[in-house]
Amino acid sequence: DAGVIQSPRHEVTEMGQEVTLRCKPISGHDYLFWYRQTMMRGLELLIYFNNNVPIDDSGMPEDRFSAKMPNASFSTLKIQPSEPRDSAVYFCASSPSLQGADGYTFGSGTRLTVV
Amino acid sequence: RKEVEQDPGPFNVPEGATVAFNCTYSNSASQSFFWYRQDCRKEPKLLMSVYSSGNEDGRFTAQLNRASQYISLLIRDSKLSDSATYLCVVPSWGKLQFGAGTQVVVTP
Repeated sequence: DAGVIQSPRHEVTEMGQEVTLRCKPISGHDYLFWYRQTMMRGLELLIYFNNNVPIDDSGMPEDRFSAKMPNASFSTLKIQPSEPRDSAVYFCASSPSLQGADGYTFGSGTRLTVV
Repeated sequence: RKEVEQDPGPFNVPEGATVAFNCTYSNSASQSFFWYRQDCRKEPKLLMSVYSSGNEDGRFTAQLNRASQYISLLIRDSKLSDSATYLCVVPSWGKLQFGAGTQVVVTP
């Protein structure tokens, strides 16, 4: 398996623009997670899906953030409009279970810079 | 109190030496635990799982103290390639909670 695939690897955008981050989970993994990592706050869970259904979005910072999972092999995280404080590394992770023995497998991340 | 707390470090370790550091957690109901390793500008990767009282994998030993609610990671015979940030992960409220990480720097 190719692992969790994220795109783009890097994104630089201007404040106010829409940003869309993409993720392809490992085939057969029923859980998909979106995390954000910054120096100040560490790794934060934004939202997770089970079988394509959003289960917990309590970590989504505000209405500017939205996430979708239209099918088992694709998810997006959208920020509209983007702000400089959204600059961070966004990771997607997938897992066969919520607290499984093998933990979560992370993608390589998208490094977002909003100027 | 944070769900998972770690000493951020850095722990500066001479090559070949032993280093150990702890992680404390607040949810006493947590059953299984993990240590992840994150290299600079890379994604976190699972290092080892921790069940019952502990686990050993080569030079790495993880121990669990349920009474005091902490887990530890010990690295023996440190290699330069062990330089990384080590994230403690605790299941809590149905999800995995990640600590902020402990940075380890192994020097020649």
